[in-house]
Amino acid sequence: LAKTTQPISMDSYEGQEVNITCSHNNIATNDYITWYQQFPSQGPRFIIQGYKTKVTNEVASLFIPADRKSSTLSLPRVSLSDTAVYYCLVGDISTGTASKLTFGTGTRLQVTL
Amino acid sequence: NAGVMQNPRHLVRRRGQEARLRCSPMKGHSHVYWYRQLPEEGLKFMVYLQKENIIDESGMPKERFSAEFPKEGPSILRIQQVVRGDSAAYFCASSPGLGNQPQHFGDGTRLSIL
Repeated sequence: LAKTTQPISMDSYEGQEVNITCSHNNIATNDYITWYQQFPSQGPRFIIQGYKTKVTNEVASLFIPADRKSSTLSLPRVSLSDTAVYYCLVGDISTGTASKLTFGTGTRLQVTL
Repeated sequence: NAGVMQNPRHLVRRRGQEARLRCSPMKGHSHVYWYRQLPEEGLKFMVYLQKENIIDESGMPKERFSAEFPKEGPSILRIQQVVRGDSAAYFCASSPGLGNQPQHFGDGTRLSIL
């Protein structure tokens, strides 16, 4: 199980781009990188998932360098509603085995005016 | 397009009582996972089930806790003889179990033990 390291907290102003980096030095060949967002009193929401290079969807981009030992979640032009905890997960989900997914303490993003 | 549905959202029990938490997965999902979250912490895996089968219960306490996912109906997480330390948010997630499909979570049941 690849351990992940993220900053405990980050602050940003509304309208800025926010980049949250996650380190996963022991990532295995079959591991995918998945990011979730969690608001208070709600369950985690899937944001984006990738294996290598760059993945982009309607809400975020995920940058993964060639060595895959880290990944960066990029949130363009954040708003106050993006204030949440962001979790980086690394694990082999190709077989649907849940036990290999572990949530760390995440990164608390605070967006202000 | 209903997501993962959990009920009740809040549950209060006295010490020694039983708690039953229900989870209906997303349509088309046959894999269910239960997690527990304490305040200011990340989610901790408890158990992974497919229809009528427990696949992995390595994160679930051996005593007082049980889970099932019957052929018909929701998945149930059952906690017998609850203690104060069982107070937490319990989240259920589901996935199709096909390839690298991510898990989708419900909004949890907050269990409070008096």
